[in-house]
Amino acid sequence: NAGVMQNPRHLVRRRGQEARLRCSPVKGHSHVYWYRQLPEEGLKFMVYLQKENIIDESGMPKERFSAEFPKEGPSILRIQQVVRGDSAAYFCASSVRGPRYNEQFFGPGTRLTVL
Amino acid sequence: DAKTTQPNSMESNEEEPVHLPCNHSTISGTDYIHWYRQLPSQGPEYVIHGLTSNVNNRMASLAIAEDRKSSTLILHRATLRDAAVYYCILREFNYGGSQGNLIFGKGTKLSVKP
Repeated sequence: NAGVMQNPRHLVRRRGQEARLRCSPVKGHSHVYWYRQLPEEGLKFMVYLQKENIIDESGMPKERFSAEFPKEGPSILRIQQVVRGDSAAYFCASSVRGPRYNEQFFGPGTRLTVL
Repeated sequence: DAKTTQPNSMESNEEEPVHLPCNHSTISGTDYIHWYRQLPSQGPEYVIHGLTSNVNNRMASLAIAEDRKSSTLILHRATLRDAAVYYCILREFNYGGSQGNLIFGKGTKLSVKP
């Protein structure tokens, strides 16, 4: 029973390029969450999606960032025109039901480095 | 979600019990107390959660004060693999809520000495 999978594990981009981070939730989970962790900081929530719908994007920067969770395939976090401040670890989590009373299962993260 | 306060760091010896405290003086009646931990270079993992009564599972025990303003995560016999950052998080129990996020503070960094 595979857990949450994220790829790539490490991603290097130059300023101005696009970064695409993928997340495959635990099989049977329809709720996906994205978090960002800056060095020496706790995780910060970005967005919560439930199959094809964005439920809560209150933590998502207004520009350059977007997320999707299509009917088929993994969830994608897309960062356009990356800047050095986007360098961080990005974690995806999934849960089987609504978030208020369910544990979230986290993936190993994607470490983005912007040169 | 109400705020929690944890010590920045703690040390323990291998095979000894560890008590990780968390203060949450503004907790509301519908807040559950959750603990997650994050091992080095990994994503967080769920440890345990509770509401009012003490809870036990294969990983740890959770002791909740009678007034619920504080709680303690107990690792009965620390191993080197338990070295991690431990996060105490309050989650409101709300069927209708659309907010999905966990609010992580800085947690307690636990070091385990052999």
